[in-house]
Amino acid sequence: KQEVTQIPAALSVPEGENLVLNCSFTDSAIYNLQWFRQDPGKGLTSLLLIQSSQREQTSGRLNASLDKSSGRSTLYIAASQPGDSATYLCAVRPRDDYKLSFGAGTTVTVRA
Amino acid sequence: SQTIHQWPATLVQPVGSPLSLECTVEGTSNPNLYWYRQAAGRGLQLLFYSVGIGQISSEVPQNLSASRPQDRQFILSSKKLLLSDSGFYLCALEGPSTDTQYFGPGTRLTVL
Repeated sequence: KQEVTQIPAALSVPEGENLVLNCSFTDSAIYNLQWFRQDPGKGLTSLLLIQSSQREQTSGRLNASLDKSSGRSTLYIAASQPGDSATYLCAVRPRDDYKLSFGAGTTVTVRA
Repeated sequence: SQTIHQWPATLVQPVGSPLSLECTVEGTSNPNLYWYRQAAGRGLQLLFYSVGIGQISSEVPQNLSASRPQDRQFILSSKKLLLSDSGFYLCALEGPSTDTQYFGPGTRLTVL
């Protein structure tokens, strides 16, 4: 069974600092990995999707890397802003199934 | 682009009462549809997923059921709610031309 872990559970940084969020998974036979953002009381917003054949994806200030062999992904957010405060979740999809396995998330607070 | 509607947005129900949550999608055809539950302090739990009309796969719940009467409609039901059914219910879609999962705004259910 796929286990997805996100460490740390919470993170507080001053505005302008770069954020590094970690996601690890136990089974490397994945189809893709997604990073989501969730604001309090809201649904999830997809940030980046990395296919298993890719090493990284970028969108604006966001960059996500994938090291499938070691079971790790990292989400980098450059020059953080207070608006980046949210919970960030990663999710892994296996090769032979529709079901995503989610981590518990990292709650980020960016202090102005 | 795809849009996901969920209603109601919030619901307070007594233990033992019935439940019906509705999810409808726009801007896509023949998507995969998912119901997730997010309980306080816990990660997302996949409850049901559907790859087509009338096709439902159940992951966990004993007293919940799902139906997909139309291509773009997904309904979550219960005949008798339990206290443990409280949580944030999220509907999501995927495909047919993308692997990204898109989430609706969610329904906050409190069972008293």
